[in-house]
Amino acid sequence: EAQVTQNPRYLITVTGKKLTVTCSQNMNHEYMSWYRQDPGLGLRQIYYSMNVEVTDKGDVPEGYKVSRKEKRNFPLILESPSPNQTSLYFCASSSPGQGAYEQYFGPGTRLTVT
Amino acid sequence: GQNIDQPTEMTATEGAIVQINCTYQTSGFNGLFWYQQHAGEAPTFLSYNVLDGLEEKGRFSSFLSRSKGYSYLLLKELQMKDSASYLCAVRDGGYNKLIFGAGTRLAVHP
Repeated sequence: EAQVTQNPRYLITVTGKKLTVTCSQNMNHEYMSWYRQDPGLGLRQIYYSMNVEVTDKGDVPEGYKVSRKEKRNFPLILESPSPNQTSLYFCASSSPGQGAYEQYFGPGTRLTVT
Repeated sequence: GQNIDQPTEMTATEGAIVQINCTYQTSGFNGLFWYQQHAGEAPTFLSYNVLDGLEEKGRFSSFLSRSKGYSYLLLKELQMKDSASYLCAVRDGGYNKLIFGAGTRLAVHP
């Protein structure tokens, strides 16, 4: 089954404790993105990647890091989480060679930083 | 600046028709998407418009006017399961650069 997976689905952590949210897709997509979703603000892009070893900042990259060492994986790293990073996070993937190149989203990771 | 506007909430009756509007101002334009998102779930793709006009897909249709920076999503024969948020998103230039509106929460009641 074609899908984007994220882990963990739920995470409660404390300020300053480094964490990684993993994202993996099995559709051989070139493009991958991370978004955060906050009430009233909609989905905002954090980082995106066009292919292996090619990443760039989205609209809200501060406090986040990403890496793309393999085509299927695109982890999101919070080196020193803060309470304002409490949010719902979605990973997404797409491919330029497929129709509208729509993005396929993972199930989401709800992060709480206390 | 870049801006996408859509109504925050709408209500409609089961079996009826509802139109959700979206206006946008972006520095580039390379297509407009509509996604459906049920509470606590991931967004799922509904429609894509890159040229002016109406795209129909079953009970859902989407319209685009690039000159007016305007789109709408039309949902016919509403069902209770259509209660969800509907997200308008513009591809701003690059294939991976999507700008989302805040979403319209639709409540369908009997």
